[in-house]
Amino acid sequence: GDSVTQMEGPVTLSEEAFLTINCTYTATGYPSLFWYVQYPGEGLQLLLKATKADDKGSNKGFEATYRKETTSFHLEKGSVQVSDSAVYFCALRNPNTGNQFYFGTGTSLTVIP
Amino acid sequence: NAGVTQTPKFRVLKTGQSMTLLCAQDMNHEYMYWYRQDPGMGLRLIHYSVGEGTTAKGEVPDGYNVSRLKKQNFLLGLESAAPSQTSVYFCASSYKGFVEQFFGPGTRLTVL
Repeated sequence: GDSVTQMEGPVTLSEEAFLTINCTYTATGYPSLFWYVQYPGEGLQLLLKATKADDKGSNKGFEATYRKETTSFHLEKGSVQVSDSAVYFCALRNPNTGNQFYFGTGTSLTVIP
Repeated sequence: NAGVTQTPKFRVLKTGQSMTLLCAQDMNHEYMYWYRQDPGMGLRLIHYSVGEGTTAKGEVPDGYNVSRLKKQNFLLGLESAAPSQTSVYFCASSYKGFVEQFFGPGTRLTVL
């Protein structure tokens, strides 16, 4: 069945460091891919998305490119800030399987000054 | 505009007790969802609703019931709580099926 695998955390970085959070997926057909962010004490918020191969989603300095050949959607940011400390979830939605969302386990990021 | 709200934020139950979690949204969304979040397992869909008066099972529906009597509210019920239902529960809504979902802040439930 459909699934998403994320790198395990927690991840701790210094401010202005480069961030990569790996995400790979298993799905038939052409799913849409998402990154959600959960700040402390809050619900999940959509960070960015990509709906077809080679699309790049971007928002708030974060980017992720939909790579069908490697079934990946890695999240990157060139210079993280303390305010980026949160839990990041990769997710997919597959129209071939009823459009249900499948979430990864989440990666906790802490950015220290 | 409050978005998606959940009541209560925290709850502790004893095994066998019952309770209802309330989700409310003010965005006039048709679809609403209940997820549970467990360590190392991501979010899993419990039940969802495609409109007032309709509900459907998700990935892990056993032990839960839901009702959508009003478009803006989606209730999740536990008739006889079990320790395995200790989790964080998230409600979400979307204007149509399984497109961008807007999440509530979550309810942390502990069953002793």
